[in-house]
Amino acid sequence: DQQVKQNSPSLSVQEGRISILNCDYTNSMFDYFLWYKKYPAEGPTFLISISSIKDKNEDGRFTVFLNKSAKHLSLHIVPSQPGDSAVYFCAASANRDDKIIFGKGTRLHILP
Amino acid sequence: AAGVIQSPRHLIKEKRETATLKCYPIPRHDTVYWYQQGPGQDPQFLISFYEKMQSDKGSIPDRFSAQQFSDYHSELNMSSLELGDSALYFCASSAGGSGRYYEQYFGPGTRLTVT
Repeated sequence: DQQVKQNSPSLSVQEGRISILNCDYTNSMFDYFLWYKKYPAEGPTFLISISSIKDKNEDGRFTVFLNKSAKHLSLHIVPSQPGDSAVYFCAASANRDDKIIFGKGTRLHILP
Repeated sequence: AAGVIQSPRHLIKEKRETATLKCYPIPRHDTVYWYQQGPGQDPQFLISFYEKMQSDKGSIPDRFSAQQFSDYHSELNMSSLELGDSALYFCASSAGGSGRYYEQYFGPGTRLTVT
């Protein structure tokens, strides 16, 4: 059973516009959430994280929003740039566990 | 900046053979994690080590074993390989110890193909 769900396998966004990647989770014990970006032939690269005590975290062009009641988080990238084209994994961790549970990823295409 | 190093990057083995994957964490990182990503799948946690001790265990088959050495590098040993073991194996490292919220930094992965 997938505990972290990314229901959109792919997303295309015009360069300069906002990219919104969505993620839902089912485990109410998750209290730390992360986004990773992955280029082909490379490992996932940490982007941004948020703990459950916050509902927003911002780092440059990247903002993550957390809605605990809906068990939903989203990653906003604005403005989108060509180098943002990659697969984005949503991930979560529970009770300070070591392991990160990943979603299946969303492939983001930034169109010129 | 130094990143996580994994070797080899590619490995081809036959069924029932053994394989050893190596992971060298970022300097001063004391925690190592192993993940397996099958074709079209999300990365699945296998096992982690903190200060040379196993700290957490996920969906690692009994045919696999791993350890962390005094220099903090880790090795994943895989025996009696099966076709289903073909996957990308990622190692990640973090600083600050087991059970803490420290970001994990991933290596480029080792692609294992079992024929």
